[in-house]
Amino acid sequence: DSGVTQTPKHLITATGQRVTLRCSPRSGDLSVYWYQQSLDQGLQFLIHYYNGEERAKGNILERFSAQQFPDLHSELNLSSLELGDSALYFCASSPRINEKLFFGSGTQLSVL
Amino acid sequence: AQSVAQPEDQVNVAEGNPLTVKCTYSVSGNPYLFWYVQYPNRGLQFLLKYITGDNLVKGSYGFEAEFNKSQTSFHLKKPSALVSDSALYFCAVRDTASNTGKLIFGQGTTLQVKP
Repeated sequence: DSGVTQTPKHLITATGQRVTLRCSPRSGDLSVYWYQQSLDQGLQFLIHYYNGEERAKGNILERFSAQQFPDLHSELNLSSLELGDSALYFCASSPRINEKLFFGSGTQLSVL
Repeated sequence: AQSVAQPEDQVNVAEGNPLTVKCTYSVSGNPYLFWYVQYPNRGLQFLLKYITGDNLVKGSYGFEAEFNKSQTSFHLKKPSALVSDSALYFCAVRDTASNTGKLIFGQGTTLQVKP
């Protein structure tokens, strides 16, 4: 168990809908990273937050947004969902920047 | 841009035989390299990392990796494979250009160990 908790584990929804994925980092970890894993794209970095502030954006669509709250948990919001958004979404945390990442078990999103 | 490549989609090895999963990297500056393993329906688990120092890095579950600067490689190895080692393995490099600590992953290599 990495100590990173992601909910829900599975999410099935329809095109055009909006969902929120939640991540609770390991106790005391200030950095939260979001990744998307799909068969064709592999593991793609989406966004990084450090102590509540956005630090970096990767291949994140405009329909997607994220935030990190004062208690350090993070949420990834996906809107106007398309079939191609179906993927496994991982959250990872680390104590500080440039420390190794600890991954959650992921949220499997299926858009039908 | 910094990147890693895993040239093999799948590696098959018999139980008890040595295994190698290949990774090459492209970075500007010093490389910070990682190996992670993903079991079915699980998140990625850290195996080992190279920051500096000895070229042979030892990690979890009996795995080790050899850093080769001249060949820009960081191959994962294990002297004797177990069936339970069957999983998806990812090589990654830290994106030092952005200084956010994010990792850039390779496409992954599926390791299949047969009894």
